[in-house]
This record gives sequence, structure tokens and C-alpha cells, in this order.
Amino acid sequence: AQSVTQLGSHVSVSEGALVLLRCNYSSSVPPYLFWYVQYPNQGLQLLLKYTTGATLVKGINGFEAEFKKSETSFHLTKPSAHMSDAAEYFCAVSPPGFQKLVFGTGTRLLVSP
Amino acid sequence: EAGVVQSPRYKIIEKKQPVAFWCNPISGHNTLYWYLQNLGQGPELLIRYENEEAVDDSQLPKDRFSAERLKGVDSTLKIQPAELGDSAVYLCASSPSTGDTEAFFGQGTRLTVV
Repeated sequence: AQSVTQLGSHVSVSEGALVLLRCNYSSSVPPYLFWYVQYPNQGLQLLLKYTTGATLVKGINGFEAEFKKSETSFHLTKPSAHMSDAAEYFCAVSPPGFQKLVFGTGTRLLVSP
Repeated sequence: EAGVVQSPRYKIIEKKQPVAFWCNPISGHNTLYWYLQNLGQGPELLIRYENEEAVDDSQLPKDRFSAERLKGVDSTLKIQPAELGDSAVYLCASSPSTGDTEAFFGQGTRLTVV
């Protein structure tokens, strides 16, 4: 079975600062890993995903994440936060074959001027 | 291309009443998911369809919840009777097929049971 742990229910940064959202996973087999963003009263939008190949994955809006098997981590980063990045971010894991997504509890990113 | 469409966006009902949610997936997507998102939590899978077949409904509370996907396109999720604890957001998502690595989500239906 797969599970996801997101450290920090809230993360606050200043505009222009580095964004780091943490995600650790548990899986008995090499998983697929995802980051989704959810704006208020909206559905989830895929930011980026790791399935196989290069462990550093680039996504939309300047975000990227690195799959580290030895640390069972898939942390999300962005060099410079923008006010529009304020949202809820969900890390998710799927077994190979993508039958379903198992989500973490989410991290709310707050960006101050 | 239209995305996943859900209706209604918001629903308020009294406990013990029935309620239904509708989802129209992206055209051509064979796989359809219903997820439940409680306040402050991540979504949790309720049911997954491959075409018209429910291939994973292990997390669906079958005593009060039911779902159908007639003709393998639109889907309806029903709760009867609704309980206070059912207040949540119900998300529908679709993928071209199992094995594809992206699910596209609708905006969700926010249910409030009073």
C-alpha cells in the first residue's frame, strides 16, 4: 500500500523567496509521484509528475521536484515565490499502472508581499 | 477542449434527504474517478470506472452511496440518505485510460448537510 506524508500544513514565504514544500512517501514498489495545486473553490491541477527516467522533474509555473529514492522524498521547490502561488498543494503517489492516486493532507502556501 | 464538468457546484440539503451529483468527463476518457475531499484533507478515492465497469469501489460506503456510469460516459454519484458527516467536496476526475499518468479534475461539488 502507498501513503504520503506532507510536512507542514501551512508554509509562509515572502514574495521572491524560495518555496520548499516537503513530501515523503511510503511504497513497497517504485511509485509514480505527483504534485497538484488547488486554488480556492477549484479542482486540482497537475503541476508535475515523476514516472520514470530523470529524477529532477520540471513542471508548470516554474515549479520543480526531485525524486530521491534513498530518502523516499519528492519535495517541491520554486526559486522565487509569486503572490499568485498562494494555494493548497497536494503530493500524491500512485502504484505503477496508475490505477488511483493516494493524496497527502496538503500544504497551504501563503505568500506575503 | 472542455474539461471535466460537474454539477451542481454547491448543494445544501437537510439530513436524511437524498442527493445526486453529476459528472461529464473529458471526451474520449475511458477512466472516471469519484473522490471525496473532507475539509483540510486530501482527496480520497471512492470509486473508479473503466468504461461502464466499476473496477474499484472498495472505499465506497455502499449502505448509503451508489454510483453509475451508463454507456461509459457520464456518471452519477448518489447519497441516500445523507448524514451530517457527508458534508464535503465531491470531485470527479478522468483519464484517457488506466496506465495513463494524468488525471484531470473537475471543480467539484460542495455538499453541505444541515
